[in-house]
Amino acid sequence: AQKVTQAQTEISVVEKEDVTLDCVYETRDTTYYLFWYKQPPSGELVFLIRRNSFDEQNEISGRYSWNFQKSTSSFNFTITASQVVDSAVYFCALSRGETSGSRLTFGEGTQLTVNP
Amino acid sequence: NAGVTQTPKFQVLKTGQSMTLQCAQDMNHEYMSWYRQDPGMGLRLIHYSVGAGITDQGEVPNGYNVSRSTTEDFPLRLLSAAPSQTSVYFCASSYSHARRARGGTQYFGPGTRLTVL
Repeated sequence: AQKVTQAQTEISVVEKEDVTLDCVYETRDTTYYLFWYKQPPSGELVFLIRRNSFDEQNEISGRYSWNFQKSTSSFNFTITASQVVDSAVYFCALSRGETSGSRLTFGEGTQLTVNP
Repeated sequence: NAGVTQTPKFQVLKTGQSMTLQCAQDMNHEYMSWYRQDPGMGLRLIHYSVGAGITDQGEVPNGYNVSRSTTEDFPLRLLSAAPSQTSVYFCASSYSHARRARGGTQYFGPGTRLTVL
C-alpha cells in the first residue's frame, strides 16, 4: 500500500521568510511519481511539479525548489522569500508508475499562511 | 482549450436523491479520475478510467457509479445520496504513461461542492 505523510498541518510565516513543507512517502514500487499541488483559497488544484523515482535531481523554479531524497523517502518543498500570495494548502501526492491509470495517493495537506 | 470542466459548481440534495456530476475534458487525455475532498483528509480516489469503456474502483467507491462512453466525458453518479457524501468532488484527467514525459500528470477541474441534507 502507498502512503503519503505531511506531518505539518499548518505553518504560519511572515512575508519574506523561507519555508519548507515536508513530505514523506511509502511505496514498495521501484517506479513511481511524486507530485506537489497547490490549492489556493479559491479552491482549485494547481499542479506544481512532478518527479519520477529515477530522477533525484533537485529542481528550482523561481522561488520554489524541491528536494527529492530516495534514501529518506522524502520530497520536500521550499518556498524562498515567501509572499502573501503563497498562502494556500499544499498537497504532496504519489502515484504508481506504468500501471493502469494515474491514481494519486494524497497527503493530508499543509495549510501555509504567509502574513504581511 | 477549456481543460477539465465540471458541472454543477454547487448542489444540495436530500437524503435518498440521486444525481450525476458531469466532467468533461478537451485535451484528449486517456486517463480520467474522480476524487472527493473532505476536511483534514486530503483527496481520496473514488473511481478512475484508463480509456473509453474501461473503469475501475478507487479507494472509496461505495455509493458511486461511473461510466466512460467517450474519451471526453466521465460522469459520476450518486445512486442514493447520504449525508456522508457531503464533500467537494474533483474530476481530473491526464495522458497515459505511454506518453512518457507528458504522461501521468493529472489536471483537475474546478470542483463541485455537494451538500446532502
